[in-house]
Amino acid sequence: DAGVIQSPRHEVTEMGQEVTLRCKPISGHNSLFWYRQTMMRGLELLIYFNNNVPIDDSGMPEDRFSAKMPNASFSTLKIQPSEPRDSAVYFCASSASVHTEAFFGQGTRLTVV
Amino acid sequence: KNEVEQSPQNLTAQEGEFITINCSYSVGISALHWLQQHPGGGIVSLFMLSSGKKKHGRLIATINIQEKHSSLHITASHPRDSAVYICAVLLGSNYKLTFGKGTLLTVNP
Repeated sequence: DAGVIQSPRHEVTEMGQEVTLRCKPISGHNSLFWYRQTMMRGLELLIYFNNNVPIDDSGMPEDRFSAKMPNASFSTLKIQPSEPRDSAVYFCASSASVHTEAFFGQGTRLTVV
Repeated sequence: KNEVEQSPQNLTAQEGEFITINCSYSVGISALHWLQQHPGGGIVSLFMLSSGKKKHGRLIATINIQEKHSSLHITASHPRDSAVYICAVLLGSNYKLTFGKGTLLTVNP
């Protein structure tokens, strides 16, 4: 397996634009996590899916953020409209279960200008 | 107060030195993770442990549940070990990882 695959690796967008980040988890993993990493706050959990169902989205900063997992092999994180304070590295991770090792993607570095 | 405290925040070593990074946490956990992040790079899981000790190559991770403390050791350090090392804990039956702020390790040749 190629590991967790995220796209794009880098995204630069203007304030107000819609941004969509994509993630393909490892095949067979039923837990998927979206994290955000900033210098100020470190790594923070945004949302957790189990078997494609959102279990906890309490980390999603506000209504501008939304995430979907239409099937076991694909998830998206959308920001609409984007703001400069959304600039961060966004990681997707998957695991066979919540109590097993998590595998992280390479991250998407988002810059909103 | 952060539930996961790492020390030191920054660590500089000479190639070949023995490295220790510490992680303390304040509540009961079901598991602890050590992660590695290279500059501008992704995050790699090094260890997941809930008791005792694990070893992988030059890396050793230990955990003392009673003392709520874990250490990551690197033997015979090498410049390619330069990275940020992050401790993260899984609280009880929760699925949510709580992360430390990381330790920036620089190994000079």
